[in-house]
Amino acid sequence: GENVEQHPSTLSVQEGDSAVIKCTYSDSASNYFPWYKQELGKGPQLIIDIRSNVGEKKDQRIAVTLNKTAKHFSLHITETQPEDSAVYFCAALGPTAGNKLTFGGGTRVLVKP
Amino acid sequence: NAGVTQTPKFRVLKTGQSMTLLCAQDMNHEYMYWYRQDPGMGLRLIHYSVGEGTTAKGEVPDGYNVSRLKKQNFLLGLESAAPSQTSVYFCASRWNSNQPQHFGDGTRLSIL
Repeated sequence: GENVEQHPSTLSVQEGDSAVIKCTYSDSASNYFPWYKQELGKGPQLIIDIRSNVGEKKDQRIAVTLNKTAKHFSLHITETQPEDSAVYFCAALGPTAGNKLTFGGGTRVLVKP
Repeated sequence: NAGVTQTPKFRVLKTGQSMTLLCAQDMNHEYMYWYRQDPGMGLRLIHYSVGEGTTAKGEVPDGYNVSRLKKQNFLLGLESAAPSQTSVYFCASRWNSNQPQHFGDGTRLSIL
């Protein structure tokens, strides 16, 4: 089955700096890669996603890049703000029964003012 | 605009007790999922359903059962709770394979 690895597990950045989180996946047939943000006491919320026919996608301060050949994708947050502090999860979806997402282990991001 | 609603939000059980967690979605989604989230281990899929009346095993199904009698509801049951099942449980749903997955806010379950 699919295996998703996420690095780093924790990330501390100064407000205004950029943050980058990287994920690798194992199944070359995976074709959809969402990123979720989880705040304390809440469920994960989708912040951006990318499909395998696209190499990059941006939404204001966040962007995701996908390298299908290397089987890795990354989340980039620019001009970080204290409200960006949360746990971020990457995931991969393959063409399997039930369209099941496989999640990375999460990255705890702390933005220091 | 409820989305995915999980009840209860918190529960404490004794070992051996049984209980049912309820997930309800008002978005007419076909697919529904139950995950557990443990520290440092991300989200692991317990069971899922691809439509009313269907269920299937995920990554960690042992000790749990599920039912999807109505399209909008997905129930997760613990027949005989064990301390290893202490976790935060999340339900999620999606309309089809091309749509994002939406999560509820979780049920925090402690088993003593």
